[in-house]
Amino acid sequence: KAGVTQTPRYLIKTRGQQVTLSCSPISGHRSVSWYQQTPGQGLQFLFEYFSETQRNKGNFPGRFSGRQFSNSRSEMNVSTLELGDSALYLCASSLGPGGDYEQYFGPGTRLTVT
Amino acid sequence: DAKTTQPPSMDCAEGRAANLPCNHSTISGNEYVYWYRQIHSQGPQYIIHGLKNNETNEMASLIITEDRKSSTLILPHATLRDTAVYYCIVRMDSSYKLIFGSGTRLLVRP
Repeated sequence: KAGVTQTPRYLIKTRGQQVTLSCSPISGHRSVSWYQQTPGQGLQFLFEYFSETQRNKGNFPGRFSGRQFSNSRSEMNVSTLELGDSALYLCASSLGPGGDYEQYFGPGTRLTVT
Repeated sequence: DAKTTQPPSMDCAEGRAANLPCNHSTISGNEYVYWYRQIHSQGPQYIIHGLKNNETNEMASLIITEDRKSSTLILPHATLRDTAVYYCIVRMDSSYKLIFGSGTRLLVRP
């Protein structure tokens, strides 16, 4: 079974631009979560989706948004990029909600903002 | 979600067991203990999780104390490829999200 895939793997953007990252979950998985990883803050939760509904959101500004499609694929968007948005963005999928469903992570998208 | 405390770093010899401790003294009855690891710049890899009972899979064993306030991840025969940052996480049954701490940096020595 194929794992979680994320595209693109690497991205360079200029401050003020916007970016869209894509995540395809493991087949059959309906829950998708997004995380940001930076050297200073570590791994931080962004938001989670289940059945096309955002179920939870982390403490990030409104410039960070996401959505989930009917096939469970998800996208996240960051508008008006800032230098501090440079990070590894990770997507994770799981079969369903709840603590007994393990999340499987993709390889991440490395975003560099210049 | 309960917080966890892990030593910042550990090391062990290749071929020996690696025992990684985690304290989660404020854990609630409906919170699971999860372990992930991350090799440099890769996505975190799921290892194992449990609620009350000890668990074992092909990668590791998870030992949870009877009062559930601490746990130990055991890698029975550590290899150089097990060098990574290991995260212990407690996660509510109703919560999707994982809250990562600083983790333990495990170095497996040849």
